[in-house]
Amino acid sequence: AQTVTQSQPEMSVQEAETVTLSCTYDTSESDYYLFWYKQPPSRQMILVIRQEAYKQQNATENRFSVNFQKAAKSFSLKISDSQLGDAAMYFCAYREDGSGSRLTFGEGTQLTVNP
Amino acid sequence: ETGVTQSPTHLIKTRGQQVTLRCSSQSGHNTVSWYQQALGQGPQFIFQYYREEENGRGNFPPRFSGLQFPNYSSELNVNALELDDSALYLCASSAGGIPPYEQYFGPGTRLTVT
Repeated sequence: AQTVTQSQPEMSVQEAETVTLSCTYDTSESDYYLFWYKQPPSRQMILVIRQEAYKQQNATENRFSVNFQKAAKSFSLKISDSQLGDAAMYFCAYREDGSGSRLTFGEGTQLTVNP
Repeated sequence: ETGVTQSPTHLIKTRGQQVTLRCSSQSGHNTVSWYQQALGQGPQFIFQYYREEENGRGNFPPRFSGLQFPNYSSELNVNALELDDSALYLCASSAGGIPPYEQYFGPGTRLTVT
């Protein structure tokens, strides 16, 4: 079974600085998708960024970028120029290609942004 | 474009009772997935419905059941509630059959079992 591990239960960053959240996963599949979701106190799960395993280029969405290391099964999220609104729980998630839309989530990292 | 909605927002039930949670999928989406998120944990996949048929199930007992209607809205039913069923229940919809099957989540229903 696929597993997703986030080893940092909590992280903090100063406003305007950069922070990196870690995620590792275990799978025997070669085709899959990886995601970072953000869950603010409002509880709504919001997609931050997506990475297709077949793509070597790391995904980027504005201030958010990933470092995808397929051989190491590592998928970290970098947030640049952190803003107060970035404070939330961040979840790393895995989806096997062909499994429909079933997501396997990590345990989450609570990010605090200090002014 | 209407997003994913869920009802009710909160509810409190007693152990042994039954509960029904509802989800309206985003316009154009035909797949609905349900997740259980216990406090302080990541969401766990319960099951998925695609075109009114269950299409994948996680490690949840049969007392967790669901339905999907012709308009692709969905219900999650839980019978014989247990204290451990207390959690946030998330519904997500996606356009099945169209990669990357990106999911859009609703705001969740907070269930408390006493």
